[in-house]
Amino acid sequence: GQQLNQSPQSMFIQEGEDVSMNCTSSSIFNTWLWYKQDPGEGPVLLIALYKAGELTSNGRLTAQFGITRKDSFLNISASIPSDVGIYFCAGTIQGGSEKLVFGKGTKLTVNP
Amino acid sequence: ETGVTQTPRHLVMGMTNKKSLKCEQHLGHNAMYWYKQSAKKPLELMFVYNFKEQTENNSVPSRFSPECPNSSHLFLHLHTLQPEDSALYLCASSPRAGGKETQYFGPGTRLLVL
Repeated sequence: GQQLNQSPQSMFIQEGEDVSMNCTSSSIFNTWLWYKQDPGEGPVLLIALYKAGELTSNGRLTAQFGITRKDSFLNISASIPSDVGIYFCAGTIQGGSEKLVFGKGTKLTVNP
Repeated sequence: ETGVTQTPRHLVMGMTNKKSLKCEQHLGHNAMYWYKQSAKKPLELMFVYNFKEQTENNSVPSRFSPECPNSSHLFLHLHTLQPEDSALYLCASSPRAGGKETQYFGPGTRLLVL
């Protein structure tokens, strides 16, 4: 069944705006990862988080591993047209196998 | 070639056909993965190979048959597929299998089963 709830499903924003998306679960996670997928391509890792409370940046992207270990968010500041794509959260569940479980993705559209 | 490559990029096949998907990684990794990506569904892990040994089969129907002849190559053999098997099939690799290992994805094979 669905183990990760990712929201929003889609976002339409103007260039220059900030963006925030998140993933939540009823399970405790050991790792949180954020990927971006461009059309016709495979997902590319943006940020990896391994400790509760960890806040990590990658350029204009910032992600945090929630204190409860059941959630994570990704922020994009000052969006640009090339930020368009689908963003996925993923993680490994505590006590489970070490396979990654993925959210359904957030489709981001940036209007110039 | 660098990274993870997949061929073919697009494939159309009938339900009685037999075809194979190929994945090759040039990263020196020891773990390789097959995922299925369907519209409006999360990525689904299908198989994991670690040092050429299959370590995970996520209840995948037997009409999908993986093969890992060495740590750099991974195949997915397809036979008697169903229309609902149409999806993007993604290959990934990582240094070793494990949740803390970063997985690098290929561009995928877009499969249509008629």
